[in-house]
Amino acid sequence: DAGVTQSPTHLIKTRGQQVTLRCSPKSGHDTVSWYQQALGQGPQFIFQYYEEEERQRGNFPDRFSGHQFPNYSSELNVNALLLGDSALYLCASRGLAGGPGETQYFGPGTRLLVL
Amino acid sequence: GDSVTQMEGPVTLSEEAFLTINCTYTATGYPSLFWYVQYPGEGLQLLLKATKADDKGSNKGFEATYRKETTSFHLEKGSVQVSDSAVYFCALSEVNDMRFGAGTRLTVKP
Repeated sequence: DAGVTQSPTHLIKTRGQQVTLRCSPKSGHDTVSWYQQALGQGPQFIFQYYEEEERQRGNFPDRFSGHQFPNYSSELNVNALLLGDSALYLCASRGLAGGPGETQYFGPGTRLLVL
Repeated sequence: GDSVTQMEGPVTLSEEAFLTINCTYTATGYPSLFWYVQYPGEGLQLLLKATKADDKGSNKGFEATYRKETTSFHLEKGSVQVSDSAVYFCALSEVNDMRFGAGTRLTVKP
């Protein structure tokens, strides 16, 4: 049973560019969340997708957008990259039935470096 | 809003020592509480969880009890091993998002 997978594993971009990160949820999961983890800090919630719609959003600017596909996989897009966007981007998935108490399973992350 | 505060690190222990990492939370309702562990270069792995007051989560010798009266979820292990060296995150979930503490880096020396 494959867990949460993310691609690419590493990425280097320059300021002002745009980036797309991809996530495939754990088998049987229909809800995908994205988190940003800056170096030495805990993950910060970006947004959650369910049924191809953004269900909840954290305190991130509109430069951060996402999408969920019918097969539940998801993309995170970041436009007009800033140096401060350099971080580990984590995708997590869970099944809907359990609600907030349901365990979220995390992928290995995509490490983004903005120069 | 909801938040998690956990003990600042780093924490350095000798093998077989007792471990406590403190975690307290602020929430408007009745959140579920989690401990995740992150090994170098990897994503987060669930260590244990508790979904209601007085529940005790346990896994791999680690334990934590959901204490509503003190709004705490402290992580404990009776005898740590070198392989326990990692960063530990306390987290809560009340609706859809998950709020994390800043993490506590644990190093266990032989």
